[in-house]
Amino acid sequence: DVQLLQSGAEVKKPGESLKISCKGSGYSFSNYWIGWVRQMPGQGLEWMGIIYPSDSDSKYSPSFQGHVTMSADKSISTAYLQWSSLKASDTAIYYCARLLTLAGDSYFFYMDVWGRGSTVTVSS
Amino acid sequence: DIQMTQSPSSLSASVGDRVTITCRASQTISTSLNWYQQKPGKAPKLLIYGASSLQSGVPSRFSGSGSGTDFTLTISSLLPEDFATYYCQQGSSTPFTFGPGTTVDFK
Repeated sequence: DVQLLQSGAEVKKPGESLKISCKGSGYSFSNYWIGWVRQMPGQGLEWMGIIYPSDSDSKYSPSFQGHVTMSADKSISTAYLQWSSLKASDTAIYYCARLLTLAGDSYFFYMDVWGRGSTVTVSS
Repeated sequence: DIQMTQSPSSLSASVGDRVTITCRASQTISTSLNWYQQKPGKAPKLLIYGASSLQSGVPSRFSGSGSGTDFTLTISSLLPEDFATYYCQQGSSTPFTFGPGTTVDFK
């Protein structure tokens, strides 16, 4: 069974650092892109970026570039999302998801398996 | 970046109703369009990929259509478990942007 297990809820103060994780199981973790999605309280889904665990190639949304860092350790089938200095506006649920690729008229991507989400609360 | 819009932003419906949600991309994306369902407190769930392919395990009352810039998600006969928020997403080019969502609630 393909699963993504995310780390638990975090409560942090502004300016603190944080690293959350997403551990894959039931498939060849290295060979599939992993994506990160933010959902702020009461809001919609925002695509943050993707990382390919095999070589750590990554693509960030311009909205998140420079604010977060994605990484992966293929030896333990785990992807990470980290902040060096949190802000209150980083309060949200963060989901990881596996991406699949299909070739139609051109290649396209979709997110077929999702983690349950990691809740991050940043408050003084 | 490709911008995604959805209409309506919310709708009220009854069990048994036929429901249609529209998604539009700011530029052509062929059939690189996905639909997700999200219930309160839960992670999103993939319903449709490639505009019209039903994800394994998803009931056949869900269907998708469209190509280019205009797409639709149809629920042929609404069941109580279908009351949720639905998001479209383009999977053509990064960033793989989501639409703002359509909430389907009880009439």
